[in-house]
Amino acid sequence: EPEVTQTPSHQVTQMGQEVILRCVPISNHLYFYWYRQILGQKVEFLVSFYNNEISEKSEIFDDQFSVERPDGSNFTLKIRSTKLEDSAMYFCASTPWNLRQGVREQYFGPGTRLTVT
Amino acid sequence: DAKTTQPTSMDCAEGRAANLPCNHSTISGNEYVYWYRQIHSQGPQYIIHGLKNNETNEMASLIITEDRKSSTLILPHATLRDTAVYYCIVRVRVRAGGTSYGKLTFGQGTILTVHP
Repeated sequence: EPEVTQTPSHQVTQMGQEVILRCVPISNHLYFYWYRQILGQKVEFLVSFYNNEISEKSEIFDDQFSVERPDGSNFTLKIRSTKLEDSAMYFCASTPWNLRQGVREQYFGPGTRLTVT
Repeated sequence: DAKTTQPTSMDCAEGRAANLPCNHSTISGNEYVYWYRQIHSQGPQYIIHGLKNNETNEMASLIITEDRKSSTLILPHATLRDTAVYYCIVRVRVRAGGTSYGKLTFGQGTILTVHP
């Protein structure tokens, strides 16, 4: 069964450094998302991406964040200058679309645990 | 998207049915009810969704009341591996070219503990 994959599973970085989190969505999906979950807190939406552009973003997704789909398979989240409060699990998700139901259920990856020291 | 209310936690004996309620009294006609679960910090896992009819798949059943203001997720024979946080999420139906792109708004969910 196809699944969303994410790398790395755990990333440790120093404050102020840039990090890139990578995701490979399910191949025939059209909509892509990033969410994060700070330890012990709710899963929070960051950004959605469709047709090679950001379609929606949350207040969390400020100028320090960017997303890209560089080669038609990978979907990346970049944090330019990490802060301590960026420490969290980051989940990528993708979803198919069909004519009757529109955007359908999201399939999540296993997550990348980002630790900023 | 409409707000949902779920109990904070529930217990269930292994092998018995787990019935997880969700209240979504402000749901509108174009909003679906989705259920996801998250097992110990893994990525959320899709379970089932519905609009107004009851739905069943290999994982669970979803019962939506006639007025659509509440729903119940049923795990017919709970196992220890079903211990997880269960999220009931109401999400607007998304069409291509629309203004919503399907983001999910997670609440705190219900912590379901299945015990032997």
